[in-house]
Amino acid sequence: KAGVTQTPRYLIKTRGQQVTLSCSPISGHRSVSWYQQTPGQGLQFLFEYFSETQRNKGNFPGRFSGRQFSNSRSEMNVSTLELGDSALYLCASKQSGFVDTQYFGPGTRLTVL
Amino acid sequence: LAKTTQPISMDSYEGQEVNITCSHNNIATNDYITWYQQFPSQGPRFIIQGYKTKVTNEVASLFIPADRKSSTLSLPRVSLSDTAVYYCLVGAPYNTNAGKSTFGDGTTLTVKP
Repeated sequence: KAGVTQTPRYLIKTRGQQVTLSCSPISGHRSVSWYQQTPGQGLQFLFEYFSETQRNKGNFPGRFSGRQFSNSRSEMNVSTLELGDSALYLCASKQSGFVDTQYFGPGTRLTVL
Repeated sequence: LAKTTQPISMDSYEGQEVNITCSHNNIATNDYITWYQQFPSQGPRFIIQGYKTKVTNEVASLFIPADRKSSTLSLPRVSLSDTAVYYCLVGAPYNTNAGKSTFGDGTTLTVKP
């Protein structure tokens, strides 16, 4: 099976812009979660989508949003970018249950100038 | 929410066996223990998962004592390419009530020639 794929792998934006990141889960996986990873904060959970519905949400401002399509692919959007949004954004998929193993994608490295 | 404690860093030499221990005193009855490996600027990679006793796969072994309050990841005959951060995860990858990631700070393993 193909793994989790994320596009683009690298992105450079300027403050105030918005960005959309894409994630394709492993075939058959219906849950997609997003994480932000920075050197100072580690892996922080953003949100999880399951069957096109947001199932769980982390403690991030409303500038961070996401959605999931009927084929389980997911997108994450960040509006009004700030310098502090520079990070590695990771997508992870799993079959469905909360205890199922998550498999991560390679990440999208976002740099905000 | 099961909090995990791991050593911040460990050093080893090529060809040695490495054991990384994770403490999780308040593990819940239905929690599984999962270990991930992460290289810089890449997503965490699933290594192994277990519930009790011993689990072995082609990459590592996981030892879990009867009380399940700790677990040990064993990497046989490490090589330079095993230099990475290793995360111990107990239960779900995030707290479904608080929306917080349950990934800790991980253990940075450095393998020397």
